[in-house]
Amino acid sequence: DTEVTQTPKHLVMGMTNKKSLKCEQHMGHRAMYWYKQKAKKPPELMFVYSYEKLSINESVPSRFSPECPNSSLLNLHLHALQPEDSALYLCASSQDLGQRGTLRWGSYEQYFGPGTRLTVT
Amino acid sequence: ELKVEQNPLFLSMQEGKNYTIYCNYSTTSDRLYWYRQDPGKSLESLFVLLSNGAVKQEGRLMASLDTKARLSTLHITAAVHDLSATYFCAVDMVGGTQGGSEKLVFGKGTKLTVNP
Repeated sequence: DTEVTQTPKHLVMGMTNKKSLKCEQHMGHRAMYWYKQKAKKPPELMFVYSYEKLSINESVPSRFSPECPNSSLLNLHLHALQPEDSALYLCASSQDLGQRGTLRWGSYEQYFGPGTRLTVT
Repeated sequence: ELKVEQNPLFLSMQEGKNYTIYCNYSTTSDRLYWYRQDPGKSLESLFVLLSNGAVKQEGRLMASLDTKARLSTLHITAAVHDLSATYFCAVDMVGGTQGGSEKLVFGKGTKLTVNP
């Protein structure tokens, strides 16, 4: 099973709302990622979790709050978003270097979910 | 800072023709990925290139990696309309507080349109 699932597929929210995006994988991957993608642009990394611990935060505003409750689940909590936050939010997972010690070998290919199309009104 | 440059950014080609997309990157890396994205969809993995001289082929697409030149190419042979999509290359770098996470840096993407 090489599938990453994301819910919901579409989300429309007001600037005062609180909502959450969910991501799930059952590939035994220990690294999970959130990306934001605006139209006609490449994905931009937001957060990385490694072994359920936050490993990378790419200076993302605090209105985005990630959570990794266990190795299979990744959430992104949204609060007081701005219209410019409207985008496609992609979740991805991969094996993690920590599983193989300090010697890097093999592919750490990231598998992407279908994304959540977020519109902030 | 790792920079990844793709060219061309836009490519319009006729069915049956051949063309190459180029991906240059600025610092040493031994892993390069090619992804395809259809409009409104997620990223689909095409190729994983892990070593210098790696060449992989799938159908009408062939990807290669020259780590010494820091260059990867995606060659399209006898293009068909179904290949119309945006193609991204991405180069990885180890990052994070635990040093164990893969951080992908994407090129800007090449929007390919194949015309009948």
